[in-house]
Amino acid sequence: QQQVKQSPQSLIVQKGGISIINCAYENTAFDYFPWYQQFPGKGPALLIAIRPDVSEKKEGRFTISFNKSAKQFSLHIMDSQPGDSATYFCAASMSKGYQKVTFGIGTKLQVIP
Amino acid sequence: DVKVTQSSRYLVKRTGEKVFLECVQDMDHENMFWYRQDPGLGLRLIYFSYDVKMKEKGDIPEGYSVSREKKERFSLILESASTNQTSMYLCASSSPSGAANEKLFFGSGTQLSVL
Repeated sequence: QQQVKQSPQSLIVQKGGISIINCAYENTAFDYFPWYQQFPGKGPALLIAIRPDVSEKKEGRFTISFNKSAKQFSLHIMDSQPGDSATYFCAASMSKGYQKVTFGIGTKLQVIP
Repeated sequence: DVKVTQSSRYLVKRTGEKVFLECVQDMDHENMFWYRQDPGLGLRLIYFSYDVKMKEKGDIPEGYSVSREKKERFSLILESASTNQTSMYLCASSSPSGAANEKLFFGSGTQLSVL
């Protein structure tokens, strides 16, 4: 059973456009929702994260929108650049316990000039 | 910066071999994790450890074991490698305390091929 569902699996966006990746979760005990970015040949690295007490978090061109009632959250990349081409993973975890992080299947983003 | 080092970038083994994947972190983190990454399946947790000599099964522990004799080192063991264990293996660490207590730090991964 996939606890964090992510879509789309792949995404092609033109330079300057908006990239949108969506995730949905099942477990209402999740209280931390990070996004990781992975470049080829590298391990994933934390990009941005949100807790359910806010509906939006913005860091530069990256924004997380969070809808607690729908159990959905999404990543928006504004003014997408070729350097943003990477695989993006949404994830969820619980602050209590062993902080086990559950990941989505990933979205391969390609930003074309 | 935190560094998580995985001993091999590429590894080729034969079916039935015992395989050791090593991971070392230099930030005194209590938590360490092993994930495997497969296309279309994302990152799946194999095992994790929250203290020396402690281990917990993740979502897909079958065919794997782990060892954590020292705080900085976490080893993944494939007792008898099989072709369906061909995958990218990622080690990660985190600390349960501090402002970034839920941030995972990943190594660069080991691409294992079992022939």
